[in-house]
Amino acid sequence: EAGVAQSPRYKIIEKRQSVAFWCNPISGHATLYWYQQILGQGPKLLIQFQNNGVVDDSQLPKDRFSAERLKGVDSTLKIQPAKLEDSAVYLCASSLDQGSYNEQFFGPGTRLTVL
Amino acid sequence: AQSVTQLDSQVPVFEEAPVELRCNYSSSVSVYLFWYVQYPNQGLQLLLKYLSGSTLVKGINGFEAEFNKSQTSFHLRKPSVHISDTAEYFCAVSEGSGNTPLVFGKGTRLSVIA
Repeated sequence: EAGVAQSPRYKIIEKRQSVAFWCNPISGHATLYWYQQILGQGPKLLIQFQNNGVVDDSQLPKDRFSAERLKGVDSTLKIQPAKLEDSAVYLCASSLDQGSYNEQFFGPGTRLTVL
Repeated sequence: AQSVTQLDSQVPVFEEAPVELRCNYSSSVSVYLFWYVQYPNQGLQLLLKYLSGSTLVKGINGFEAEFNKSQTSFHLRKPSVHISDTAEYFCAVSEGSGNTPLVFGKGTRLSVIA
């Protein structure tokens, strides 16, 4: 079974530029998460989707970050304009939507460097 | 709100020695507890989880953890480490129901010395 795919793996941009990350979850996984992992810290949830609806985006900086999952499968996370403090690894995870516990499977992440 | 504290940011240990990575959590509801490992330039891999039942949980690669509700702890242990165990380890918690997001600690860097 294929895992969670993310692209690009690495991205370097200048501050105030825009950038987009793509995530393809495991087939059949209804729930998709985007986490931000700043160097030296644990991952922090940015947004959670169930199918194509947003479940939780309370920690998403909505003035510059946006995310969508239009067909309930792939997802895109965008930053516009980027700031230096957005340098981080962006992790995508997915899980089934059955029962009381559904394991989250993580992709390899996209490492963003903002100069 | 839930939170996780990993008491050690770095743990150096000699090969074949035992190791314990400490984790404490706070939550007002029942929780699920997890340990993840992250190798350089890779995503997170689940080592083990506590959902309910026996408080001693065994995971992959010879790791185990013990859930202690009274001390709100979930420490990770391995009796004999290998060079290949060098990685970042994250403790995480989620509310005990459905697809709730994970709340992670800041991580512990385990360095195994030959």
